[in-house]
Amino acid sequence: GAVVSQHPSRVICKSGTSVKIECRSLDFQATTMFWYRQFPKQSLMLMATSNEGSKATYEQGVEKDKFLINHASLTLSTLTVTSAHPEDSSFYICSARGEAGAPETQYFGPGTRLLVL
Amino acid sequence: GESVGLHLPTLSVQEGDNSIINCAYSNSASDYFIWYKQESGKGPQFIIDIRSNMDKRQGQRVTVLLNKTVKHLSLQIAATQPGDSAVYFCAENRLGYSTLTFGKGTMLLVSP
Repeated sequence: GAVVSQHPSRVICKSGTSVKIECRSLDFQATTMFWYRQFPKQSLMLMATSNEGSKATYEQGVEKDKFLINHASLTLSTLTVTSAHPEDSSFYICSARGEAGAPETQYFGPGTRLLVL
Repeated sequence: GESVGLHLPTLSVQEGDNSIINCAYSNSASDYFIWYKQESGKGPQFIIDIRSNMDKRQGQRVTVLLNKTVKHLSLQIAATQPGDSAVYFCAENRLGYSTLTFGKGTMLLVSP
C-alpha cells in the first residue's frame, strides 16, 4: 500500500519550453501532496504544499508563476515548469499524505529527472 | 543553481555488521519522526517512524531510537546487507505543521 507514481521518470527539453510532471497516489486518497527539488548529494528542498481543490502554498524563494501546481483530485497533482531554463535542471520528487499510514507520513514518488538544454 | 563538491557523511560497513545512523534535530516541538531510505536515482522510501511519546520502535531488521533530552534520533540496521546501501534521511514533523523537515542525509556503503 501507499504507492505514489510520477510521470515522466525523466525528460529532456529545450530552453524556453514548459514541462508537466504528474504525481499520482495509486492506492490511497491524498489530501495533501508536496513537491520537492533535490540537487546531487543534497537533501530534499520543499517547493510547495498542495491541497486538493485549493491553491498551493509555496515556500519562500519559489516562484509560483514558474512552478505551477494543480491538485485537481485526491489522487493527482501536477507540477508544470514554465519556460524552463538550464538552471531548472534537477530531480523533482512528489510526495503524498492522506489515508495511508500516520497522518504526518509522506510517501514519495520515484522522482522525475529534468534536463533543460 | 546546483552546488558541486558537497559530500554527504558516509558510513562504510561490512556485510553482516550492524549499522547505526545518527541524526540530530533542532526543534523540541517536533513530535513525529521518520527515517527514509533513498537509493540512487529514486525517491525516498519510508522505513520506520516514531512518535515523541516513545523512545524505541522496532521493525524488521531496523530499530529507531529517540532521545528527546538531547534531541537525537538514530537508526540501527541489523545484519547490514549490500542492498541496504543508500542515503538515509531523518525527517521531523513539528506539532501543528503539515510539512516535514529533512536532515542532511547519511550515505551508507555496505561492502560484501
